[in-house]
Amino acid sequence: EAQVTQNPRYLITVTGKKLTVTCSQNMNHEYMSWYRQDPGLGLRQIYYSMNVEVTDKGDVPEGYKVSRKEKRNFPLILESPSPNQTSLYFCASSGALWRGTQYFGPGTRLTVL
Amino acid sequence: SQQGEEDPQALSIQEGENATMNCSYKTSINNLQWYRQNSGRGLVHLILIRSNEREKHSGRLRVTLDTSKKSSSLLITASRAADTASYFCATGQDAGGTSYGKLTFGQGTILTVHP
Repeated sequence: EAQVTQNPRYLITVTGKKLTVTCSQNMNHEYMSWYRQDPGLGLRQIYYSMNVEVTDKGDVPEGYKVSRKEKRNFPLILESPSPNQTSLYFCASSGALWRGTQYFGPGTRLTVL
Repeated sequence: SQQGEEDPQALSIQEGENATMNCSYKTSINNLQWYRQNSGRGLVHLILIRSNEREKHSGRLRVTLDTSKKSSSLLITASRAADTASYFCATGQDAGGTSYGKLTFGQGTILTVHP
């Protein structure tokens, strides 16, 4: 089954404790992206990757890191999480950005205390 | 302000009625996409319209794009209770721009369809 998986689905952590949210897709997609969703702000793009070893900043990259060493994986790293990073995070992938269909993961709800 | 902004923020209608949502954006785009999200879940792609297209249909969905006004609309005809969800537009930047690859979502329209 074609899908985007994220782990963990729920995470409660404390300020400053490094964490990684994994994202994996099994569709051989070139394009992958991370978003955060906050009430009243919609979805905002954090980072995106056009292919392996090619990443670029979205609209809200501060406080986040990403890497794309393999085509299928695109982890999101918070090296020193802060409470303002409490949010619902989505990973998405697409065969090519301009083919349009982005497939979204189920989301990771992160709480930073 | 955000690239894609939906209007209205919330829409409440009866089953069988049509629902129209609008999206405005600011910069040149390559394409505009509409997505649907059921409460707290991942988004599902509905339809994509390219900058050189003016109208597109998919089942009960009709999307229009007016690049001169930098706006798009999503029409859901003969709505059903199961259409209750949030709807987002997303714009893909023009390939000639420095932000190629960025996809910008609006804040969404919450649609409630009453049985």
